[in-house]
Amino acid sequence: SQKIEQNSEALNIQEGKTATLTCNYTNYSPAYLQWYRQDPGRGPVFLLLIRENEKEKRKERLKVTFDTTLKQSLFHITASQPADSATYLCALEEGEGADGLTFGKGTHLIIQP
Amino acid sequence: EAGVTQFPSHSVIEKGQTVTLRCDPISGHDNLYWYRRVMGKEIKFLLHFVKESKQDESGMPNNRFLAERTGGTYSTLKVQPAELEDSGVYFCASSLDRIRQYFGPGTRLTVT
Repeated sequence: SQKIEQNSEALNIQEGKTATLTCNYTNYSPAYLQWYRQDPGRGPVFLLLIRENEKEKRKERLKVTFDTTLKQSLFHITASQPADSATYLCALEEGEGADGLTFGKGTHLIIQP
Repeated sequence: EAGVTQFPSHSVIEKGQTVTLRCDPISGHDNLYWYRRVMGKEIKFLLHFVKESKQDESGMPNNRFLAERTGGTYSTLKVQPAELEDSGVYFCASSLDRIRQYFGPGTRLTVT
């Protein structure tokens, strides 16, 4: 079965810097990869989706890259703010219409003022 | 637009008892998913409904878990009898296109 590894359990970044989170997966290549944000006591919130034929996707201060050769996705937050502090989850589906998401354990990002 | 809601937010029961969790998806979303996060582990898929039909229940841990979605609206997940290892946070999600999923706040289940 698919396994996802996210670079670290916790990441401390100074406000204003760029935070970079890593997601590595094994086995099959997914049709797309998603990033979610989760705050304490809440469910995951969808942020971005990138498809296997896309190299990069941007949304405001967020940028996601997808390297199917390396089996890796990088998630960047530029000009980070304390409000960006949360746990960020990488998730995969096997293909269009596939059932369920496979999640990584997440990276707890802390932006220090 | 109302989001996915779950009830209760927290449940504490004794081993051997029964608990029923409820999920109300976003109106119009035919796809409904249940997930579980056990402490220290990643969120794991349990099952997927399309309307009232179970599309995939490969993630259900054992036959002590029963999910229903009568009428294709809200869903319930019953655990009977509960065991200690069932403790965790149970998330429900709904989706219109099977791609982007909208999660509820979760139900924290503690079995003592």
